[in-house]
Amino acid sequence: DTGVSQDPRHKITKRGQNVTFRCDPISEHNRLYWYRQTLGQGPEFLTYFQNEAQLEKSRLLSDRFSAERPKGSFSTLEIQRTEQGDSAMYLCASSSLRGTGFDNSPLHFGNGTRLTVT
Amino acid sequence: TQLLEQSPQFLSIQEGENLTVYCNSSSVFSSLQWYRQEPGEGPVLLVTVVTGGEVKKLKRLTFQFGDARKDSSLHITAAQPGDTGLYLCAGPQAREGGTSYGKLTFGQGTILTVHP
Repeated sequence: DTGVSQDPRHKITKRGQNVTFRCDPISEHNRLYWYRQTLGQGPEFLTYFQNEAQLEKSRLLSDRFSAERPKGSFSTLEIQRTEQGDSAMYLCASSSLRGTGFDNSPLHFGNGTRLTVT
Repeated sequence: TQLLEQSPQFLSIQEGENLTVYCNSSSVFSSLQWYRQEPGEGPVLLVTVVTGGEVKKLKRLTFQFGDARKDSSLHITAAQPGDTGLYLCAGPQAREGGTSYGKLTFGQGTILTVHP
């Protein structure tokens, strides 16, 4: 299967601890997105990479959040000093830049990392 | 910020019934996408509508894009338990002076439950 993979699938941590999630996008996709989703709600955009460059960050992404995509391949999302409000599903998605209509490129999502902060 | 409002938020029906889910905005979108998400999984694309007034069919699912490209609907005929899930509409979030980079704004979703 060459879909988007995320690791771990579940993470339980105590408040104040740091956590890191990994995303491996579809190999030929140069665009990578991180979203956050709470139960029964739609995903909220966090950040976007084109190749290795982080081109946009949401205001939802506080200073405790950092994302990287070294070499334009896999990406990591780190949350420092976790808070209970960080509990959510963290979704990674990738897409390819098409020659035309690139705003319409579908996002291919992984199955997410569910974070629970106790 | 372009917002997408979905209605209803929850829908619980019996197998065989028809239903419609709505996705509305005060902003114009260049396109809208519909995704379906099952518990514990990521959203999966169902369809993209691009042209105002466009109608697309996917088996028992019919998607329509409003003429003004501000709204969309999803109609399911003869719903089955396998249709149960979270249905999300999403559109490219316009950036000032530039492309959306494919970044999507999602509606809050409609949770559909189809009982046997």
